[in-house]
Amino acid sequence: DGGITQSPKYLFRKEGQNVTLSCEQNLNHDAMYWYRQDPGQGLRLIYYSQIVNDFQKGDIAEGYSVSREKKESFPLTVTSAQKNPTAFYLCASSISAGGGRGNTEAFFGQGTRLTVV
Amino acid sequence: GQQVMQIPQYQHVQEGEDFTTYCNSSTTLSNIQWYKQRPGGHPVFLIQLVKSGEVKKQKRLTFQFGEAKKNSSLHITATQTTDVGTYFCAAMNSGGYQKVTFGIGTKLQVIP
Repeated sequence: DGGITQSPKYLFRKEGQNVTLSCEQNLNHDAMYWYRQDPGQGLRLIYYSQIVNDFQKGDIAEGYSVSREKKESFPLTVTSAQKNPTAFYLCASSISAGGGRGNTEAFFGQGTRLTVV
Repeated sequence: GQQVMQIPQYQHVQEGEDFTTYCNSSTTLSNIQWYKQRPGGHPVFLIQLVKSGEVKKQKRLTFQFGEAKKNSSLHITATQTTDVGTYFCAAMNSGGYQKVTFGIGTKLQVIP
């Protein structure tokens, strides 16, 4: 059953600790994304990757880090430098078709709700 | 960076009334996508528009892409309680890196 999987669904972190959110896809998609969702703020892009071993900062990358060592995996680390990490984090993937060619529908995972305690 | 402005942010309608959400950009867009997020869920793709002036329909939903490819709208005819959720537009940049930017979303409440 193809899809995109995020784990865990709920995560609690003590202030000052780093935490890594998992995102795995078996859709053979080149592009992967991390978004943060806060009430009234929509989806804000943290990092995105178009190909293995390459990634770009989004609009709110400060306090976050990512890696893309495998096509299937795009983990996000929320570091202690992130001032307000409590949020709903969504991972997505899509077929890479730069320039808007073709259908570039993004498939989302179920999300991870991170709470700092 | 590229921004897409979406209005309204919230909309309450009586069941059976129509609903429209608008998405605007200051720059020409390669394409525009629309997503729906049910309460407690994750965004799900609805449609992609690519051509200038394009209009697409999905049952009671009508999607339009402006002639200048700078704005788009989603119109729902005769809303039902199943239409409840947040509707997002999303735009892809036309540069080398594929970056999808989402609007703030319009949260729709349908009153039975």
